[in-house]
Amino acid sequence: DAKTTQPPSMDCAEGRAANLPCNHSTISGNEYVYWYRQIHSQGPQYIIHGLKNNETNEMASLIITEDRKSSTLILPHATLRDTAVYYCIVSPPYTNAGKSTFGDGTTLTVKP
Amino acid sequence: EAGVTQFPSHSVIEKGQTVTLRCDPISGHDNLYWYRRVMGKEIKFLLHFVKESKQDESGMPNNRFLAERTGGTYSTLKVQPAELEDSGVYFCASSQDLYRQKGYTFGSGTRLTVV
Repeated sequence: DAKTTQPPSMDCAEGRAANLPCNHSTISGNEYVYWYRQIHSQGPQYIIHGLKNNETNEMASLIITEDRKSSTLILPHATLRDTAVYYCIVSPPYTNAGKSTFGDGTTLTVKP
Repeated sequence: EAGVTQFPSHSVIEKGQTVTLRCDPISGHDNLYWYRRVMGKEIKFLLHFVKESKQDESGMPNNRFLAERTGGTYSTLKVQPAELEDSGVYFCASSQDLYRQKGYTFGSGTRLTVV
């Protein structure tokens, strides 16, 4: 699996957009970008995933650069409950997808 | 739908003892995964079941760890004998489709402390 690089921490004001970057310069053509988050003492929570097109769901938007070497997770209106560790993972969508390592992630702190 | 349930939420045992962790996946999810985070490190894959069969157990650290999923429903992860370095949080996840198009659903984890 391709490795990812994320900033260790970020702050965001409540109500503002939170933009979390992820570098995955060694991503392969068949690898997807997945985002999870872990709120203190809970298990990781799936947020969104994509291959090369931008994606949006009820939780967030995922912007993937054209060369697929980086992506940005956007939480459009961050709330205090969005404070968590956010993990960016790249993985093929088939057998062995679960072997991905979560890395250190980005600790997002949403402030009032 | 009910989420992924793990039991116990916390366990404190002495070195050399045996501990069994249980995971109940979401009903109908054939794929079940175990992960763990040991002290200050990353969440790492341990193994993957498809129904009752072990699809991939390459992440299991050593033969003190035994995972089972009899009948393809709940799974257990036994550590025998436990060592100090086994302390950490053990997560279970399940997914409906092998291709993970909808992501995994994780349980809240079992915090294991070996003293």
